Amino acid sequence: GENVEQHPSTLSVQEGDSAVIKCTYSDSASNYFPWYKQELGKRPQLIIDIRSNVGEKKDQRIAVTLNKTAKHFSLHITETQPEDSAVYFCAASIVKAAGNKLTFGGGTRVLVKP
Amino acid sequence: NAGVTQTPKFQVLKTGQSMTLQCAQDMNHNSMYWYRQDPGMGLRLIYYSASEGTTDKGEVPNGYNVSRLNKREFSLRLESAAPSQTSVYFCASSFGTGPGRGEQYFGPGTRLTVT
Repeated sequence: GENVEQHPSTLSVQEGDSAVIKCTYSDSASNYFPWYKQELGKRPQLIIDIRSNVGEKKDQRIAVTLNKTAKHFSLHITETQPEDSAVYFCAASIVKAAGNKLTFGGGTRVLVKP
Repeated sequence: NAGVTQTPKFQVLKTGQSMTLQCAQDMNHNSMYWYRQDPGMGLRLIYYSASEGTTDKGEVPNGYNVSRLNKREFSLRLESAAPSQTSVYFCASSFGTGPGRGEQYFGPGTRLTVT
């Protein structure tokens, strides 16, 4: 089955700096790569996603890049703010008629220092 | 529009007891999922239902059963709870397939402790 590894496990940045989280996946058939943000005690919330036919996607201060050849994808947060402090999870799946089974990475705890 | 709802929010069980976690969605989604999240870890898929009338195992199905009661509701049952099942359980739903339809939306979670 799919295996997703995520690095780093913790990331501390100064407010205004950029943060980068990297994930690798094992199944070359995976075609959907979402990123979730989870605040303490809350549910995971989708912040951005990318499909395998796209190399990069951007939404305001957040961007995701995908390298299918190397089987890795990254989340980039620019101009970080204290409210960006949370745990971020990457995931990978093969979206098909029989559901969308996400395999999650282990998470990255991001701390933005004011 | 409540999205994905789960009951109960918290539960404490003794080893060997049984219970059912309830999940409902009002977004007309086809697919529903149950995940568990252990402290400091990512989410792992327990079972999923691609569409009404179908269920299938995920990564960690042992010790659990599910029922897709109708399009809206998907329950998770622990027949004989064990301390290893102490976790936070999240239900999620999605439309299923097609552009823009793979996104999963999560419920608020059920925090379960087995003593």
